[in-house]
Amino acid sequence: LAKTTQPISMDSYEGQEVNITCSHNNIATNDYITWYQQFPSQGPRFIIQGYKTKVTNEVASLFIPADRKSSTLSLPRVSLSDTAVYYCLVDGGSYIPTFGRGTSLIVHP
Amino acid sequence: DTEVTQTPKHLVMGMTNKKSLKCEQHMGHRAMYWYKQKAKKPPELMFVYSYEKLSINESVPSRFSPECPNSSLLNLHLHALQPEDSALYLCASSQDWARRLYEQFFGPGTRLTVL
Repeated sequence: LAKTTQPISMDSYEGQEVNITCSHNNIATNDYITWYQQFPSQGPRFIIQGYKTKVTNEVASLFIPADRKSSTLSLPRVSLSDTAVYYCLVDGGSYIPTFGRGTSLIVHP
Repeated sequence: DTEVTQTPKHLVMGMTNKKSLKCEQHMGHRAMYWYKQKAKKPPELMFVYSYEKLSINESVPSRFSPECPNSSLLNLHLHALQPEDSALYLCASSQDWARRLYEQFFGPGTRLTVL
């Protein structure tokens, strides 16, 4: 299974752009990269998914370089409500969803 | 309706009790999942049902017994649990499974405490 590595925690301030990078060195050809957000005592919520290059939706962008060994979730102009844990998933070619340790993002006023 | 519902929200049980967790979705999804999440840890996959058939069992102890009565419902039957089984139990569903990892929709979870 493809293993993911993310920073354990990050701090930011309201209005700033936040970039969270995930490394997945042994990603397989068929794997997609998916990011989830989780608030305390709630289920994770899908943010974005991509295969290569760049994907953008109304809440985030996902940048994937050509070698696909890493990906970066970009959150534009964060607010206090973006304080959460962010998980990067790579399905490992076996379609078994495996959450990494996640990045705890704290947004300060 | 893009919601996954779980009942109960909280459950306290003794080690000799039998209880069940319930999960429901009406999005027409054909894959449903059970996860276990301990405090400050990521969700850990327990079971995957695809088209109402158990497709993945991640070496879960037999005191946890999943059931998928129909395409909208998923149950997790609990019996003779241990205190270390106390956790947040999350249900999720997705459009499909076993072709690629589709977006999962998660419920709010059941907070289980085993005394």
